[in-house]
Amino acid sequence: EVQLVESGGGLVQPGGSLKLSCAVSGFTFSGSDMHWVRQASGKGLEWVGRIRGKGNSDATAYAASLKGRFTISRDDSKNTAYLHINSLKTEDTAVYYCNGRYGDSTEEFDYWGRGTLVTVSS
Amino acid sequence: QSVLTQPPSASGTPGQRVTISCSGSRSNIGGPYVSWYQQLPGTAPKLLIYRHTQRPSGVPDRFSGSKSGTSASLAISGLRSEDEGDYYCAAWDDSLSGRVFGGGTKLTVL
Repeated sequence: EVQLVESGGGLVQPGGSLKLSCAVSGFTFSGSDMHWVRQASGKGLEWVGRIRGKGNSDATAYAASLKGRFTISRDDSKNTAYLHINSLKTEDTAVYYCNGRYGDSTEEFDYWGRGTLVTVSS
Repeated sequence: QSVLTQPPSASGTPGQRVTISCSGSRSNIGGPYVSWYQQLPGTAPKLLIYRHTQRPSGVPDRFSGSKSGTSASLAISGLRSEDEGDYYCAAWDDSLSGRVFGGGTKLTVL
């Protein structure tokens, strides 16, 4: 069974930092691209960034509007992806989803976690 | 303001066919990697369509995707009450070197 479990969310003060984790099981993590997507309450999906799987070039990419404060990393030995957020702002308040994606010439696979809520407030 | 433009709402009665559009540009919809997601209330998004027209295993053939130039469409036939939710298009944008989502379309089954 495929599982992606996000953790690390919570209440943080503006200006603070946070590290979210996404633990994966049930599919080949090392070969998968891992994306982070966020969704503010009542709003649409916003792509945060991604880190590519093993063997792929251009390892990380980020939404232009968010570049600089967000860092995505991964530990293939632990089947875990991370999202580090610095200098948190109130507008970063959202549910953060991790999204594992991989494919070949004929098929794509796409899996999501349930999300972790980040609330930025004083 | 989303890079990909979707109508904010759509509706239909049970059994009807509904189409949701997604308008973009050559750098995103014009490429091969366009997907459609369904997000039911209180749940994570679920992939319905990838590479414009392909359905993952387990997605009913009531859902279909198409592309014409720089616009993509999701069609849902035989509409059911359980289809009520939000639908998003997504694509890789070569100009932005990033993934972009449409603003979402809220589907109501009357």
